[in-house]
Amino acid sequence: QQQVKQSPQSLIVQKGGISIINCAYENTAFDYFPWYQQFPGKGPALLIAIRPDVSEKKEGRFTISFNKSAKQFSLHIMDSQPGDSATYFCAVSGGTSYGKLTFGQGTILTVHP
Amino acid sequence: KAGVTQTPRYLIKTRGQQVTLSCSPISGHRSVSWYQQTPGQGLQFLFEYFSETQRNKGNFPGRFSGRQFSNSRSEMNVSTLELGDSALYLCASSWGGARETQYFGPGTRLLVL
Repeated sequence: QQQVKQSPQSLIVQKGGISIINCAYENTAFDYFPWYQQFPGKGPALLIAIRPDVSEKKEGRFTISFNKSAKQFSLHIMDSQPGDSATYFCAVSGGTSYGKLTFGQGTILTVHP
Repeated sequence: KAGVTQTPRYLIKTRGQQVTLSCSPISGHRSVSWYQQTPGQGLQFLFEYFSETQRNKGNFPGRFSGRQFSNSRSEMNVSTLELGDSALYLCASSWGGARETQYFGPGTRLLVL
């Protein structure tokens, strides 16, 4: 059973555009929702994370929107840059599930100059 | 502060052999999690260790095992290698709480022939 569904699989945007990646989860016990960015040859790196007590969190050009009732959260990248071209993963964690992140399948983002 | 380091970075093994991968966490971090990354299955959680004890385990066969030492360094072992074990193996470290940022290493690329 796929606990986290991420879409789209790939995304192409022009420089300066907005990139939007969506994730949906099943288990209401999840209470930590990070987004990771991965460049080729590197491990994933935390981009931004949110907890369910807020509906939105912004850090620079990156924003997470969280809809608890719909069990969905999304990543918005404003003013997308070619340097943002990478694979993005949403993840979920919760309760006492120590050390375990359950990841979405990933979105390959390409930003054209 | 030095990041998470993993050795070796690349490995080539043949079916039936065993392999041991090493992970050194960020100084002060007591939790180490291991993940397998493949194009087909994405990022999947293997197990997590905290203070030399396995606290959490994913859905992998018993051929996959791990341990953690008193200095928080961790090793994972895969016995009787199969072709399908070819993957990028990532470790991540954190302080050990349930909803903390996990910092990933660059991974060990394992190829099984």
